[in-house]
Amino acid sequence: QKEVEQDPGPLSVPEGAIVSLNCTYSNSAFQYFMWYRQYSRKGPELLMYTYSSGNKEDGRFTAQVDKSSKYISLFIRDSQPSDSATYLCAMSWGNAGKSTFGDGTTLTVKP
Amino acid sequence: DADVTQTPRNRITKTGKRIMLECSQTKGHDRMYWYRQDPGLGLRLIYYSFDVKDINKGEISDGYSVSRQAQAKFSLSLESAIPNQTALYFCATSDHRPGRISGELFFGEGSRLTVL
Repeated sequence: QKEVEQDPGPLSVPEGAIVSLNCTYSNSAFQYFMWYRQYSRKGPELLMYTYSSGNKEDGRFTAQVDKSSKYISLFIRDSQPSDSATYLCAMSWGNAGKSTFGDGTTLTVKP
Repeated sequence: DADVTQTPRNRITKTGKRIMLECSQTKGHDRMYWYRQDPGLGLRLIYYSFDVKDINKGEISDGYSVSRQAQAKFSLSLESAIPNQTALYFCATSDHRPGRISGELFFGEGSRLTVL
């Protein structure tokens, strides 16, 4: 069983929709939870970062972490065609520096 | 200019050939990583280095080797390439000084390798 499981997608939504992207994990030592966005032919870039449980909001994006359920989510409100990308969840613990990634969910937002 | 530069960006080679992928960074970060990305399999860690004298295997190091020539340079070698090493390879760096986001990775733009 993988340490990090991500809803596979692909996901196609109309512009303006609310998008929910989800990951589950098995390693209770994870403390740092991240979402990366990867555009086609580019490297991933950090989009959202959360330490431990709770919510974090940044504009149209909200990251949620529920450590009791070992479940994390990324919500995108008022989705735009420019949000079309692959979204990767990632997790790490302590100062180890290594991150474990989900397999990614490819999102297409149609105008 | 990119902060994390990978060369070559694309390479086609034949089974059995030796291949080197190079990575250089201008971010001044101490930690560097090589990841492999396959469709539907996310990013998997091949090797990582916390400083010039520290090299560590990741989850899929078999068939690969690395060299940390300087703080800013980290190269990945395939001694005898095989078709199932066809993938997109990413170099990444991270900064673990106080005040930085722990675990945040800064990626290059990737090197697409095809082994025939």
